[in-house]
Amino acid sequence: GENVEQHPSTLSVQEGDSAVIKCTYSDSASNYFPWYKQELGKRPQLIIDIRSNVGEKKDQRIAVTLNKTAKHFSLHITETQPEDSAVYFCAASNGGGADGLTFGKGTHLIIQP
Amino acid sequence: DTAVSQTPKYLVTQMGNDKSIKCEQNLGHDTMYWYKQDSKKFLKIMFSYNNKELIINETVPNRFSPKSPDKAHLNLHINSLELGDSAVYFCASSPRGSKAFFGQGTRLTVV
Repeated sequence: GENVEQHPSTLSVQEGDSAVIKCTYSDSASNYFPWYKQELGKRPQLIIDIRSNVGEKKDQRIAVTLNKTAKHFSLHITETQPEDSAVYFCAASNGGGADGLTFGKGTHLIIQP
Repeated sequence: DTAVSQTPKYLVTQMGNDKSIKCEQNLGHDTMYWYKQDSKKFLKIMFSYNNKELIINETVPNRFSPKSPDKAHLNLHINSLELGDSAVYFCASSPRGSKAFFGQGTRLTVV
């Protein structure tokens, strides 16, 4: 089955700086890669996703890049703000089936004022 | 106007009891899921239902059983609860192979 590795487990950045979280996946059949943000005590919420036919996608301060050959994808957050503090999860799935998401272990992002 | 809702939000129960968690989605999605989030925040899929058929069943104990009375509902039944079942359980739904939306979670504590 799919295995997703995520790094780092904790990331502390100064407000206004950029943050990068990296993930690798093992199953070459995976073709859908979402990122979720989870605040303390809340549900995971989708913030951005990318499919394997696209190399990069951007939404305001958030961008995701995908390297299919190397089987890794990254989340980039620019101009970080205090409200960006949360746990971020990457995930992978074979989007053609209903086999659910395989998640990375999460990154606790801390924005220092 | 909640898209994916699950009840209860908190559930405290004794070992050996049987309990259920209910989930409903009003998004018209084909597929519903149950995920378990353990104390280390690791999210792992337990079950997936598509059009009332179980698509995958991860290696969870058979004390856990999903039941889907219709396309909009996927309930989770747990028999003979154990201490290790304590976790947050999330229901989710998605169009096939696309964005998944999560319920608010049920924090289960077995004492």
